[in-house]
Amino acid sequence: DAGVIQSPRHEVTEMGQEVTLRCKPISGHDYLFWYRQTMMRGLELLIYFNNNVPIDDSGMPEDRFSAKMPNASFSTLKIQPSEPRDSAVYFCASRRGQGAKNTEAFFGQGTRLTVV
Amino acid sequence: SQKIEQNSEALNIQEGKTATLTCNYTNYSPAYLQWYRQDPGRGPVFLLLIRENEKEKRKERLKVTFDTTLKQSLFHITASQPADSATYLCAPRMDSSYKLIFGSGTRLLVRP
Repeated sequence: DAGVIQSPRHEVTEMGQEVTLRCKPISGHDYLFWYRQTMMRGLELLIYFNNNVPIDDSGMPEDRFSAKMPNASFSTLKIQPSEPRDSAVYFCASRRGQGAKNTEAFFGQGTRLTVV
Repeated sequence: SQKIEQNSEALNIQEGKTATLTCNYTNYSPAYLQWYRQDPGRGPVFLLLIRENEKEKRKERLKVTFDTTLKQSLFHITASQPADSATYLCAPRMDSSYKLIFGSGTRLLVRP
């Protein structure tokens, strides 16, 4: 398997524009996580899905952020409208289901977002 | 509220020495705790998992301990090498759900 695939790797956009980040999890993984990482706040969990269903979105900072998982092999994180304070590295991660031995999470390479 | 605390100051050690990193957590008793490594520009990579009924876990030069009374995990790298330089993150399972929450990480620098 190619691992968790995120696109784009880098995104530069102007304030007010819509930004869509994409993630393809590892095949067979039941859980998908979206994180945001900054120097100030570290690695923050934004939302996670189980079997394509959002389970906990309490980390989503504002209504400007939304995430979807239309099927088991694709998820998006959308920011509309974007603001300079959204600049960060966004990671997607996936892991297998609830079996006790399957808790390891695999991360993508991340998307570095810069909002100017 | 639940908190995960890692030393925010970088740990700077000489090659060959043992590096010890600390992860403290409050207000919960995690069933297990994971450690990850993150290199600049890359996503975290899983290293080790230790369960609440395990006092110690080893993998090559890595050793993790888990003290549920102190609410603390220690991560050791023996015979450290410059290639071990990275940020190390702990992730205790902080509730009954399956969400994965990380500490802020500790940066390790191993000098040659």
